[in-house]
Amino acid sequence: SAVISQKPSRDICQRGTSLTIQCQVDSQVTMMFWYRQQPGQSLTLIATANQGSEATYESGFVIDKFPISRPNLTFSTLTVSNMSPEDSSIYLCSVVQHEQYFGPGTRLTVT
Amino acid sequence: EDQVTQSPEALRLQEGESSSLNCSYTVSGLRGLFWYRQDPGKGPEFLFTLYSAGEEKEKERLKATLTKKESFLHITAPKPEDSATYLCAVQALGGGSNYKLTFGKGTLLTVNP
Repeated sequence: SAVISQKPSRDICQRGTSLTIQCQVDSQVTMMFWYRQQPGQSLTLIATANQGSEATYESGFVIDKFPISRPNLTFSTLTVSNMSPEDSSIYLCSVVQHEQYFGPGTRLTVT
Repeated sequence: EDQVTQSPEALRLQEGESSSLNCSYTVSGLRGLFWYRQDPGKGPEFLFTLYSAGEEKEKERLKATLTKKESFLHITAPKPEDSATYLCAVQALGGGSNYKLTFGKGTLLTVNP
C-alpha cells in the first residue's frame, strides 16, 4: 500500500490567514483526494486532484476557499484560505492504489 | 443522495466479549462498501472492501459481511488493542467523482481488559 505523509501534522492559525497543507506519496498515483473531518462529523470529500487537470470540487466547496495544486504524480497541496473558526478540522489526503488509502491528517485549529 | 448510518455510536466491550457493528446504507448503485479503522490522531487505516451482497471477508478477529442494505463488522474475542473508531463508507457507481467515498460517523469501540 502507498505510504502517505502530510505536513504540517498540526497547526494553530489566526482567523483571516491561510494555511497550505502538503501531501507526499512514496509512489506515483493518478488520483489524489482531499477530505475534511470535522469534530463529530463524517469524513467529507472536498475535492479530487488529478495530475494534469483542474481539481474537481464537491458541492459546498469552492476553489477560492480551498485551492489545490497537483504538480506531479507524488505530491499535492491544499490551501485553506481566509480561515475562520469553522475551518477548524482535520484535513486528510487520500490516494487510490487498488484500494483507497489515507494520510495521517493535518489537525488545524483556527482562533 | 448517498447516506451511511453507523450504529451504535459507541460500544464498550470486555476483552473476549464478541459483538457486531452495523452500517446501513442507501446508494443509487453500490460499487463497493469499505471498512476502515481509525486510531486517535491518525488517518483511517484500510480494512476491507466488499462488492456484492453475500460477500464476506476476514482479517484476524474481524469479519465483514454485506447485504443489499447493510454491512456488519463482527469482532470475535476482541482484545484491548482492537479499541478504535471503525468507519464505514460506500462508493457509488458512476458519477463525476468515481472514487468518492461517503462515510458514516463511525463507531467508537472500547475493549476493556
